Amino acid sequence: DADVTQTPRNRITKTGKRIMLECSQTKGHDRMYWYRQDPGLGLRLIYYSFDVKDINKGEISDGYSVSRQAQAKFSLSLESAIPNQTALYFCATSDLFGTEAFFGQGTRLTVV
Amino acid sequence: AQKVTQAQTEISVVEKEDVTLDCVYETRDTTYYLFWYKQPPSGELVFLIRRNSFDEQNEISGRYSWNFQKSTSSFNFTITASQVVDSAVYFCALSLRGGSQGNLIFGKGTKLSVKP
Repeated sequence: DADVTQTPRNRITKTGKRIMLECSQTKGHDRMYWYRQDPGLGLRLIYYSFDVKDINKGEISDGYSVSRQAQAKFSLSLESAIPNQTALYFCATSDLFGTEAFFGQGTRLTVV
Repeated sequence: AQKVTQAQTEISVVEKEDVTLDCVYETRDTTYYLFWYKQPPSGELVFLIRRNSFDEQNEISGRYSWNFQKSTSSFNFTITASQVVDSAVYFCALSLRGGSQGNLIFGKGTKLSVKP
């Protein structure tokens, strides 16, 4: 099994719909992250969590929310999807000092 | 503020040519980590290398080599004798040890196309 698993891998949704992207990890890391990738912009941080009770906004959190259900699970929600949220989304985990990071396979989200 | 700059947006080479991907970073921290990732057309991120700020030794792994120079805040990546399978987007990233976030700060990536 992969260290970091994202579901779904691909999703097409309509404008205004609520959608949740899920992430689970087997690394035992406390730190988890959600990134968004747009062509030519690299990966940008949406939210990050240092433990179940600690959730923080990243660079581009507007329009998104997250939930840390357990150490191993970190989900990203789009409450009302809009077309400019069409992107490739990555979940990641890291150790305490950021010396290593593990990424999920990515979720391709298309909002029509 | 921390920043990673990959000035080359796209590079196109012919197979067997050598190619260097540039990465310049900014940070005031003395302890940090630098990474390179490869993203093939399938989309996943493939870890290539991590280097900490106290280790300026260059590294070679097969056709890949990395040149880390703190004096110029650069961490460049060279592919020798490029192959079509090297075609991908390559990301350079920075992580701060003990930083408030611990996340990776990415450059915008360089798209490498290797033509047969």
